[in-house]
Order: sequence, then C-alpha cells, then structure tokens
Amino acid sequence: NAGVTQTPKFRVLKTGQSMTLLCAQDMNHEYMYWYRQDPGMGLRLIHYSVGEGTTAKGEVPDGYNVSRLKKQNFLLGLESAAPSQTSVYFCASSWFPETYEQYFGPGTRLTVT
Amino acid sequence: AQSVTQLDSHVSVSEGTPVLLRCNYSSSYSPSLFWYVQHPNKGLQLLLKYTSAATLVKGINGFEAEFKKSETSFHLTKPSAHMSDAAEYFCVVRRNTGNQFYFGTGTSLTVIP
Repeated sequence: NAGVTQTPKFRVLKTGQSMTLLCAQDMNHEYMYWYRQDPGMGLRLIHYSVGEGTTAKGEVPDGYNVSRLKKQNFLLGLESAAPSQTSVYFCASSWFPETYEQYFGPGTRLTVT
Repeated sequence: AQSVTQLDSHVSVSEGTPVLLRCNYSSSYSPSLFWYVQHPNKGLQLLLKYTSAATLVKGINGFEAEFKKSETSFHLTKPSAHMSDAAEYFCVVRRNTGNQFYFGTGTSLTVIP
C-alpha cells in the first residue's frame, strides 16, 4: 500500500515549456486535490476532482489544467510554464470528505527559470 | 465565507516545556477541523481531527486540540515538547457541506535543546 505517490520529485523548466505532474493513489479514494505551497502562504488549492471524469477549479487555477481519466490518477498540467509557477506541488486524496482527512503525497518541487 | 487564521507564524519553545499553537476559524456552518504537521522537505501528516464529536481531540505524538465554538478556536497543545516536534504545523478547516479544505498559513515550531 503505497498511499499517494507523485512523479516527478523535482523538475526544472524554462519559461514557456510544458509538463505534466502525475499523482497516483491506491486507497480507492473518490476525491483528489492539487495544491501549491509557497512560503508564508500555506497550501492553496489549484484544482480538485470528486470522482473519475470530473474536475473543478480551486482557489488558484489559472495556468493549470487537470484530468482524471482513471480513479486512481490525477494529472496536473502546465501548458506554458511561468516563473510565478515555481513552487512545491502537493497532491492529496480523501474518501468522501465529510469527516475524512486528506492523505498527501511527498510533493514535487518545480522551478521555472 | 470560510477562513482559518494561525495567529503565530513562528513559535519557539525549550525542550520539555509546553507547546501552544493557536488557530481561529470563521465559518457560517459547523466545520471539520484538522491539524497537520510537515517536517522539512516532507509531505503533510495528519495530527488530529475534529468532526463534531468530543470537543477535546487527542492526536498522535502526544498532541491534542480543543474545539471551542464560542471562541471559534482550535488550538493545538502538547504538554512537553520534544526535539522531533520541530516542524511546520497547519490548521485546516472544511465546511461540512462542500469539497474544499482551507489551510492556514502555517506555524513554524522551533524546539530549543
């Protein structure tokens, strides 16, 4: 039982390049989330999904796209990376969230130069 | 509206002394509340959660928190700090109708030997 895994762990991009971050969970959770963490700002929600085939915008969705083609995977895409997207990205998953906590992946550190 | 405020960005305590990390929330509804810990370069780990059961919640590693509705607070405490407690702590709130979790900006705990 690996929990929540993220690929890659580190990445450096040049401005304008694109990339996809992969999140996978093996707990059969319905809900999945992508956050970014910046110093002094806590975690901010980018996008989330309440089930396979569904996605919704969070607090800071601009510049990102997501897909949830399979229940266990949640992909975060950057179409044209900008330096402002330099951050640590965390994926999380949860069962129906009424009383259930989120389980977090180890994070992806992205630098855009 | 939904928000959470962590009143101290940094807290420093001596090993063996009590820890108090303060969290206030605003919510129009009865929320679920969580405390997470993040050790350097790691993902987030759940310490404890409040989901409308007992107002005093016990978590892992000797931490506990008390939900006080009249004060809209959910402060995290520990009777005796250990060096391994040095980390970033996040208070998180989720309204009991909805799919999003809202993070405080975090409190960095330093434990002095």
